[in-house]
Amino acid sequence: QKEVEQNSGPLSVPEGAIASLNCTYSDRGSQSFFWYRQYSGKSPELIMFIYSNGDKEDGRFTAQLNKASQYVSLLIRDSQPSDSATYLCAVNGNSGYSTLTFGKGTMLLVSP
Amino acid sequence: NAGVTQTPKFQVLKTGQSMTLQCAQDMNHNSMYWYRQDPGMGLRLIYYSASEGTTDKGEVPNGYNVSRLNKREFSLRLESAAPSQTSVYFCASRVGLNGELFFGEGSRLTVL
Repeated sequence: QKEVEQNSGPLSVPEGAIASLNCTYSDRGSQSFFWYRQYSGKSPELIMFIYSNGDKEDGRFTAQLNKASQYVSLLIRDSQPSDSATYLCAVNGNSGYSTLTFGKGTMLLVSP
Repeated sequence: NAGVTQTPKFQVLKTGQSMTLQCAQDMNHNSMYWYRQDPGMGLRLIYYSASEGTTDKGEVPNGYNVSRLNKREFSLRLESAAPSQTSVYFCASRVGLNGELFFGEGSRLTVL
């Protein structure tokens, strides 16, 4: 059973700060990793994906992957109140056809 | 370009009633998925279809059936609804083995 673990939060940060969201996964052969944002009552929307070890930056968002430690993180710089949402980590396995396993999500609250 | 469309958006059922959730995508994706989302449980995979003509069980398939009607459409059926099936259901699709999932807006189901 593949597992994806996230701290449920809430993670509270002031506006303008850096928010750091973390995720660990159990399947060492996992190939691709995704961060989704979900506002209350809405469907998940993709923020970033990362396939290779290291950092990947897109605007205020940076995804970090360390396959040796089975750890993936999302940094949000200059956090805004509009970033307040639940962030879901999702992991794709390494079999010929694989499904996406989601963590339970971390709630982020950005206070003005 | 509608993306992934789910119907109905809201439904209330009595225990023992049956219903079908409909999902259609217009992105020419091969793979389609049904997830349920419950408070504190995250997104859990019910069934998926890797390609037209195939379906497979996910993590929580009991009490559900699916039909991949054609490449565009993937329906989820509850034959005899139970209160434990009260949830928000999301349909999703993606083009390949490692790509991102695109989600529908969700269907909120209450079973009394």
